[in-house]
Amino acid sequence: EAGVAQSPRYKIIEKRQSVAFWCNPISGHATLYWYQQILGQGPKLLIQFQNNGVVDDSQLPKDRFSAERLKGVDSTLKIQPAKLEDSAVYLCASSLAGSSYEQYFGPGTRLTVT
Amino acid sequence: KNEVEQSPQNLTAQEGEFITINCSYSVGISALHWLQQHPGGGIVSLFMLSSGKKKHGRLIATINIQEKHSSLHITASHPRDSAVYICAVRGDGSARQLTFGSGTQLTVLP
Repeated sequence: EAGVAQSPRYKIIEKRQSVAFWCNPISGHATLYWYQQILGQGPKLLIQFQNNGVVDDSQLPKDRFSAERLKGVDSTLKIQPAKLEDSAVYLCASSLAGSSYEQYFGPGTRLTVT
Repeated sequence: KNEVEQSPQNLTAQEGEFITINCSYSVGISALHWLQQHPGGGIVSLFMLSSGKKKHGRLIATINIQEKHSSLHITASHPRDSAVYICAVRGDGSARQLTFGSGTQLTVLP
């Protein structure tokens, strides 16, 4: 069974530029999560989707971050414009159906904003 | 105060040593997870606990619900165990999101 796929693996941009990350969850998983992990910290949930609907985006900085999962399968996370403090690893995870099920994590995208 | 506290933050051990990593939490939970993160970012789930004790190979996880505390033990540690170990708790409310500790960086020297 293929795992959670993410791309790119690494990205370096200058502040005020835009960037987009892509995630393809495990086939059949209804729930998709985007986490931000700053160096030395645990992951922080940015947004949770159930199929193509948003379940929780309370910690998403909506002035600059946006995410979509239009067809309920793969998802994109965008930052526009980026700030220095956005430098982090962005992790995507998926689970079968909701938060009570085990989450499977992708390899992450390491973003460096200079 | 963070909802999930791990100790120690960093741990260096010699190969073969018995290792303990601790996790304390301050909220009501429905489950506690131990996760392993290798350099490069990928996270693997090791255990999900709601009570008692679980064992998988050289790894043992315990939880004391009354004391809001969990431990991860590694017996006969090996350099390949070097990784960040993260404790995460699932709330018992309607949201049930995972709240993560900041992780313990383990280095096992040959």
